[in-house]
Amino acid sequence: GDSVTQMEGPVTLSEEAFLTINCTYTATGYPSLFWYVQYPGEGLQLLLKATKADDKGSNKGFEATYRKETTSFHLEKGSVQVSDSAVYFCALDGGFKTIFGAGTRLFVKA
Amino acid sequence: SQTIHQWPATLVQPVGSPLSLECTVEGTSNPNLYWYRQAAGRGLQLLFYSVGIGQISSEVPQNLSASRPQDRQFILSSKKLLLSDSGFYLCASYGTSFNEQFFGPGTRLTVL
Repeated sequence: GDSVTQMEGPVTLSEEAFLTINCTYTATGYPSLFWYVQYPGEGLQLLLKATKADDKGSNKGFEATYRKETTSFHLEKGSVQVSDSAVYFCALDGGFKTIFGAGTRLFVKA
Repeated sequence: SQTIHQWPATLVQPVGSPLSLECTVEGTSNPNLYWYRQAAGRGLQLLFYSVGIGQISSEVPQNLSASRPQDRQFILSSKKLLLSDSGFYLCASYGTSFNEQFFGPGTRLTVL
């Protein structure tokens, strides 16, 4: 069945460092791909999405490109801030269900 | 866009007591609705989903049940809570454009 694998955390970075969180997927066809973010004590919110191969989703300085040849959707940000500390979930559209990765916790130090 | 309401925000219950968590949705009609549980420091576990009034699908066997008495209302229940039911419960609905999910603020349940 469909699945999402993302790098284990936690990831600890200093402010202004470059961020990459790896995500790969297994799916039949070419589903929409998502990154969600969960700030402490809150629900998840959509960060960005890509609906077809080679699409780049972007929001708040974060980017991810839908790569069908490597079945990947890695999240990147050029310069992280303390306020980016959160848990990040990679996900794919599984039809009437969303398939989530296990989440990667990011800590950004001032 | 949609708004998901959940209550209560936090709950502390003794083992063996009943549970009722409520979720309501604004801004859409006939949504697919979902209950997830998130244990401390863990990922999301899909518990139930519903594609319409009275239609409930269970993803994992457990001590919980769900009901959908109205189009935009989704309830999570238990007759007798276990310690292992502690966690952060999230209600979600499906968006209509790209199947993104909208999440509520969550209920933190502690069973003592």
